[in-house]
Amino acid sequence: EPEVTQTPSHQVTQMGQEVILRCVPISNHLYFYWYRQILGQKVEFLVSFYNNEISEKSEIFDDQFSVERPDGSNFTLKIRSTKLEDSAMYFCASSVGTSGGVKTQYFGPGTRLLVL
Amino acid sequence: AQSVTQLGSHVSVSEGALVLLRCNYSSSVPPYLFWYVQYPNQGLQLLLKYTSAATLVKGINGFEAEFKKSETSFHLTKPSAHMSDAAEYFCAVSEGQGGKLIFGQGTELSVKP
Repeated sequence: EPEVTQTPSHQVTQMGQEVILRCVPISNHLYFYWYRQILGQKVEFLVSFYNNEISEKSEIFDDQFSVERPDGSNFTLKIRSTKLEDSAMYFCASSVGTSGGVKTQYFGPGTRLLVL
Repeated sequence: AQSVTQLGSHVSVSEGALVLLRCNYSSSVPPYLFWYVQYPNQGLQLLLKYTSAATLVKGINGFEAEFKKSETSFHLTKPSAHMSDAAEYFCAVSEGQGGKLIFGQGTELSVKP
């Protein structure tokens, strides 16, 4: 069964450093998403991506964040200068979706980011 | 904006007992609703979804949920809990053309032997 994969599973970085989180969505999916879950809190939407551009982003997704689909398979989230409060589990999700229809999202296992 | 409320951050049941996890939503349009399960140190796995077809939705692992518009609820049930059901359960509503998910705060289910 196809699944969303994410690398690395864990990342430890120093405050101010750049990190890139990688995701490989399910191959025929068209919509891609990033969410984060700070320890003990709810899962929060960060950004959605469709047709090679951001379709929606949350207030959390400020100028420190960017997303890219550099090739036909990978979907990346970059944090330019990490802050302590960026420590969280980051989930990638993808959906085959159709315009206006339900977009059932399938999630990857997550990358746990720890900023020291 | 849509929102989801899950009543009870922690629910404990005995093995074999009924599982009932509560979810209420607010939405100005007919919603798409989802339940996801998160096992320890794992990602989110789709349990079931409501997409305006049948109001009683069956999912994996014996779970089902009933959409009740009059109560704005989408509670998750399972007739008989199993030890392997111990996990965190998230209710979510889909919003907007892009389908972003708005999650509830989650309910941790414990199953006692």
